[in-house]
Amino acid sequence: NAGVTQTPKFQVLKTGQSMTLQCAQDMNHNSMYWYRQDPGMGLRLIYYSASEGTTDKGEVPNGYNVSRLNKREFSLRLESAAPSQTSVYFCASSGQVLLLFGSGTQLSVL
Amino acid sequence: EDKVVQSPLSLVVHEGDTVTLNCSYEVTNFRSLLWYKQEKKAPTFLFMLTSSGIEKKSGRLSSILDKKELSSILNITATQTGDSAIYLCAPSRGSQGNLIFGKGTKLSVKP
Repeated sequence: NAGVTQTPKFQVLKTGQSMTLQCAQDMNHNSMYWYRQDPGMGLRLIYYSASEGTTDKGEVPNGYNVSRLNKREFSLRLESAAPSQTSVYFCASSGQVLLLFGSGTQLSVL
Repeated sequence: EDKVVQSPLSLVVHEGDTVTLNCSYEVTNFRSLLWYKQEKKAPTFLFMLTSSGIEKKSGRLSSILDKKELSSILNITATQTGDSAIYLCAPSRGSQGNLIFGKGTKLSVKP
């Protein structure tokens, strides 16, 4: 099925561990995004990539790194996880403005 | 600083009621405004509004943008339990058209 695929769906980390969230889209979209969603905070942009080879910081980039591996794939890395990074993470892609979201990753950092 | 304010933050109604959800925004280089519905997982697209005063409709849902007042409303008539969700307002801004999301309105429809 066409769309945005995120892995994993669930993850539990200990403080200080690292991990990479993977995202791939098969709609030939130029732009890709990583958001986090916390209760009462709405969706906040972590990083985005307007096109292959470019990445830019969003509202809450601290503690994260990203890689736009190719047009299809955009990964989010937590180098040293902290409890404050416990959240639901969404990847999204867009051709112009309309965002299409992946199903989300629920991450808990203990 | 760009901001988006949605009201109310939560709302409980009974089936058959009509509801109006509000969104006001202040964003740099505004381009358009999108509404999303979020149930258990990822947000799903409802409407994109670019022109002021033109209502968009989809079944029992409708939405309109007022660029002069920097606001938008989302109406749902004859609500059903399946309308229970968080409704997110997201203006797009800047040259990249990035979306900034409000905190959402949590709608609960009781049978």
